[in-house]
Amino acid sequence: SYVLTQPPSVSVAPGQTARFTCGGNNIGSKSVHWYQQKPGQPLLVVYDDNDRPSGIPERFSGSNSGNTATLTISRVEDGDEADYYCQAWDRSTDHPVFGGGTKLTVL
Amino acid sequence: QVQLQESGPGLVKPSETLSLTCTVSGGALRSYYWSWIRQPPGKGLEWIGYMYYSGSTNYNPSLKSRVTMSADTSKNQFSLKLNSVTAADTAVYYCARLLPIVGTTTHFDFWGQGILVTVSS
Repeated sequence: SYVLTQPPSVSVAPGQTARFTCGGNNIGSKSVHWYQQKPGQPLLVVYDDNDRPSGIPERFSGSNSGNTATLTISRVEDGDEADYYCQAWDRSTDHPVFGGGTKLTVL
Repeated sequence: QVQLQESGPGLVKPSETLSLTCTVSGGALRSYYWSWIRQPPGKGLEWIGYMYYSGSTNYNPSLKSRVTMSADTSKNQFSLKLNSVTAADTAVYYCARLLPIVGTTTHFDFWGQGILVTVSS
C-alpha cells in the first residue's frame, strides 16, 4: 500500500516561513491535500497540491514534485500552531492515505 | 454550508459493537461519498471506510472484517458499526464528506466535530 511520510515536528518563530514535507514514492504524480488540526476536527487548507478553499489565507501554499510534496506557511502566526496532515489517493485501491502528521510549534 | 454531526454512545464494552450516526445538514447525501475516520488519543488520522450515498462501500483492509457502513437518505444520515471492539478501538471518530473522484484524486472537504468513544468495561 502507498505510504506518506511526514517529520514529527517543525518549529519556527512568528513571522518566519514554515515548511512541511510529505514524502511518498513518485508523489509528484499524485495530487496532495493538506489539513490543519488544532484541538478539534481537521480543516482542509490546501487541495490538489496548491489550491486553497475559500477562507484560507494566501499565506498557505503548496507544491509537489518528485518524491516530496510541501506545504508552506508564510509569515507564521501564533494561531497557526497545529498538527498538519498530508493526504493522497491510492488509485490502485481507491483508498485515501494520510501521512502521520507534523506538529507545528510557534516559538 | 454543509455541517456534519456525529452521535452515539461514548462508552462501549469490550467485545461489543460500536455504533455511530452522522447527521448531515445543509446538503444532501446524494452525489457524494461519506466517510468515517478515527484518531486514537495522541495519534494520527486513520481512515475507516467510505460509502456512496447509494450504498456501495470501501473499507480499510485492516478493519474490513469488523466494519459496516450504511446510509438513510430519508434522514440524511449515515452510520458506522464496528464489532468486536477492544481498547485499541478507543479514539475520536470523525465523519467527513469525500468529494467525487476527479481524475485520480479526491479529498475530504467537510468534517464533523468528532466524538470520543472509549472502549472499557
